[in-house]
Amino acid sequence: GNSVTQMEGPVTLSEEAFLTINCTYTATGYPSLFWYVQYPGEGLQLLLKATKADDKGSNKGFEATYRKETTSFHLEKGSVQVSDSAVYFCALRLNTGGFKTIFGAGTRLFVKA
Amino acid sequence: EAGVAQSPRYKIIEKRQSVAFWCNPISGHATLYWYQQILGQGPKLLIQFQNNGVVDDSQLPKDRFSAERLKGVDSTLKIQPAKLEDSAVYLCASSLDKGRSPHEQYFGPGTRLTVT
Repeated sequence: GNSVTQMEGPVTLSEEAFLTINCTYTATGYPSLFWYVQYPGEGLQLLLKATKADDKGSNKGFEATYRKETTSFHLEKGSVQVSDSAVYFCALRLNTGGFKTIFGAGTRLFVKA
Repeated sequence: EAGVAQSPRYKIIEKRQSVAFWCNPISGHATLYWYQQILGQGPKLLIQFQNNGVVDDSQLPKDRFSAERLKGVDSTLKIQPAKLEDSAVYLCASSLDKGRSPHEQYFGPGTRLTVT
């Protein structure tokens, strides 16, 4: 079946540290891949996306590359800030049928000053 | 443009009671989704509408949950009767999705339901 697996949290980093949150997926066909972010008390927001293999999505200093050969879409940021503290969700969207979106369980990030 | 609106933001009910949630999607968005997000988990799709037709309701517990989208705009999600395990945040999202090309989903702030 279709699924998304992401690293368990929480992840705790000091400000300006390098961030990696791992995400792997299983899907039929060629899905689109997304990272969503949920700040405390707010709804989910799209952070970045990639729609085909080798695409790199980027936004607000975050990046992720669609790796078809390893079925991965790892999130990275070179220097995190306290304001990046949030829950990050990796998701895939099937490009057939009803375009269903499947989310990972989320990874909570704490950034200390 | 205005975002996805949901109400109420919080609701506390006793088990076996009924509850309804309301969602107003972004104007012009054809597709509307209801998700259930249990604490510590990712959102799980309950039902997806394309205009006022149901595209996917395979994970909707139909013995107690129901949803409708009147005139292809607003939507309501109802739970009757509620169980303790229904405690979760209920998220509404919408996307443009004209034709076959999928578009970005925009999420509302959610309704946090506590069943006691």
